[in-house]
Amino acid sequence: QVQLRESGPRLVKSSETLSLTCSVSGGSISGYYWSWVRQPPGKALEWIGYIYSRGSTLYSPSFQSRTTLSVDMSINQFSLKLRSVTAADTAVYFCARGRDFDNMDLEVWGLGTTVTVS
Amino acid sequence: DVQMTQSPSTLSASVGDRVTITCRASRNIKSWLAWYQQKPGKAPKVLIYKASNLQSGVPPRFSGSGSGTEFTLTISSLQPDDFGTYYCLQHDSYWTFGQGTRVEIK
Repeated sequence: QVQLRESGPRLVKSSETLSLTCSVSGGSISGYYWSWVRQPPGKALEWIGYIYSRGSTLYSPSFQSRTTLSVDMSINQFSLKLRSVTAADTAVYFCARGRDFDNMDLEVWGLGTTVTVS
Repeated sequence: DVQMTQSPSTLSASVGDRVTITCRASRNIKSWLAWYQQKPGKAPKVLIYKASNLQSGVPPRFSGSGSGTEFTLTISSLQPDDFGTYYCLQHDSYWTFGQGTRVEIK
């Protein structure tokens, strides 16, 4: 079964760039949509954006101006960069896979990683 | 953007009760809606996709209905393990989560 695992710094300084990577194992990154979702402490889930395996992207309007998603099919990883972070970006960050090309709900999720902005 | 209004925000029910959670979309999203259950400290788990399709491995006491702008998640007989927070997710235009419904067992 496909598994996702987020990795990256747990602590980021205010005004700097948050960088996370999602490693995909047990399946190919090809042919799927790959999303990032975050959850501030005690709050609801927020969708950040997705990247298709071939590189096309769609960002939430709330994050578009300071977010970049990228994918490296050769090593089955995709990444998130969120620039100019503030304390409001402190959250658990999840990576997730869309079900398939026709049904794009988020079927498979990573465990999440907590990022604190100081 | 499509806004999702989820209700109630919290509900407390007894084991065996029938429970209903509603999500309303600000415009027609056809059937592009999924339901998730999240336990504290865990990733969300998909229960229902495309409004009414039960995810493999999910107990049949969970069901979804609706299309267009109004959607419902029903738990036919609440079980102790069903505590947690439930979210809807629309994926017709961008992706938007509802604000969540916290389900407590009396």
